[in-house]
Amino acid sequence: EAQVTQNPRYLITVTGKKLTVTCSQNMNHEYMSWYRQDPGLGLRQIYYSMNVEVTDKGDVPEGYKVSRKEKRNFPLILESPSPNQTSLYFCASSFTSGNSYEQYFGPGTRLTVT
Amino acid sequence: AQTVTQSQPEMSVQEAETVTLSCTYDTSESNYYLFWYKQPPSRQMILVIRQEAYKQQNATENRFSVNFQKAAKSFSLKISDSQLGDTAMYFCAFMSYGNKLVFGAGTILRVKS
Repeated sequence: EAQVTQNPRYLITVTGKKLTVTCSQNMNHEYMSWYRQDPGLGLRQIYYSMNVEVTDKGDVPEGYKVSRKEKRNFPLILESPSPNQTSLYFCASSFTSGNSYEQYFGPGTRLTVT
Repeated sequence: AQTVTQSQPEMSVQEAETVTLSCTYDTSESNYYLFWYKQPPSRQMILVIRQEAYKQQNATENRFSVNFQKAAKSFSLKISDSQLGDTAMYFCAFMSYGNKLVFGAGTILRVKS
């Protein structure tokens, strides 16, 4: 089954404790992206990657890091989480060419930073 | 920068009736894509319908259709014969080059029996 997986689905942590949210896709997509969802703001892009070893900032990159060492994986790293990073996070992937531009979303990760 | 505006934070509709959700966007691009996503209580993002800006014909998917007005930069979603399972948050989204999706703030739709 074609899918994007994220782990963990739920996470409660404390300020300053490094964490990683994993994202993996099995569709051989070049493009992967992270979004955060906050009430009244919709989804906003954090970071994206056009292919292996190619990453760039989105609209709200402060406090986050990413890496793309393999095509299928795109982890989101919070090195020193703060309460304002409490949010719902989505990973998404798609092809970058042709007519297959639809983005497939993971199930979301609910993060609470206390 | 592109922006997407959904002016209706919440809406409600009776089962079997028709409802229209509004969306406007701002861009200087001529080639782009527009989407409506549904987010039920499970939080999963589900693509409802998409529209390519170069196509004049409005997209339809079963009970879902759009009214795409390119000059007015408007992209509304019409849901016909509303069902209880349509209760969800609906997001309008824009995409041009680089695959980046820009989302509106969302509209909560409640379908009442």
